[in-house]
Amino acid sequence: EAQVTQNPRYLITVTGKKLTVTCSQNMNHEYMSWYRQDPGLGLRQIYYSMNVEVTDKGDVPEGYKVSRKEKRNFPLILESPSPNQTSLYFCASSPGVDSYNEQFFGPGTRLTVL
Amino acid sequence: KNEVEQSPQNLTAQEGEFITINCSYSVGISALHWLQQHPGGGIVSLFMLSSGKKKHGRLIATINIQEKHSSLHITASHPRDSAVYICAVRLVKTSGSRLTFGEGTQLTVNP
Repeated sequence: EAQVTQNPRYLITVTGKKLTVTCSQNMNHEYMSWYRQDPGLGLRQIYYSMNVEVTDKGDVPEGYKVSRKEKRNFPLILESPSPNQTSLYFCASSPGVDSYNEQFFGPGTRLTVL
Repeated sequence: KNEVEQSPQNLTAQEGEFITINCSYSVGISALHWLQQHPGGGIVSLFMLSSGKKKHGRLIATINIQEKHSSLHITASHPRDSAVYICAVRLVKTSGSRLTFGEGTQLTVNP
């Protein structure tokens, strides 16, 4: 089944403890992206990648890192999480990098930083 | 002011009613997406538009590039249509592949 998977789905952690949220897609998509969703602010893009080893900042990249060593994987790394990074996170992928491609979303990761 | 505005923020309808959700944007775009977020949180892409109109089942999406406006219509609404509907645009002025999102419209369809 074509899908985007994220792990973990739920995570409660403490300030400063490094964590990684994994994202994997099995559709051979070039484009991958991370978003966070917060009440009253909607979805905002954190980082995106247009291909292997090509990443760029979105609207809210501070406090996050990403890497794209393989086409299928795009992990989101929080080196030193803080409470303001408590949010619902979505990974998405798309066949191409232009505007005209549908985006496929993962199921979301609900992160709480205490 | 957000670059993408949706209206209404909340909408309650009775089963069978025709529903319209609006999205307005303030700058040039290359494409507009309509997304559906289920009560469990999952997000599904409904439409991608760059011009004209698209239809899928009971859903219809239109876009007017000159007026910077798009609408999502649901005909013969059903309680299973209850969800948050999100408009997202690819702004011409942004580099790369960044999407800018509206805050969403919470739709509740009562039986």
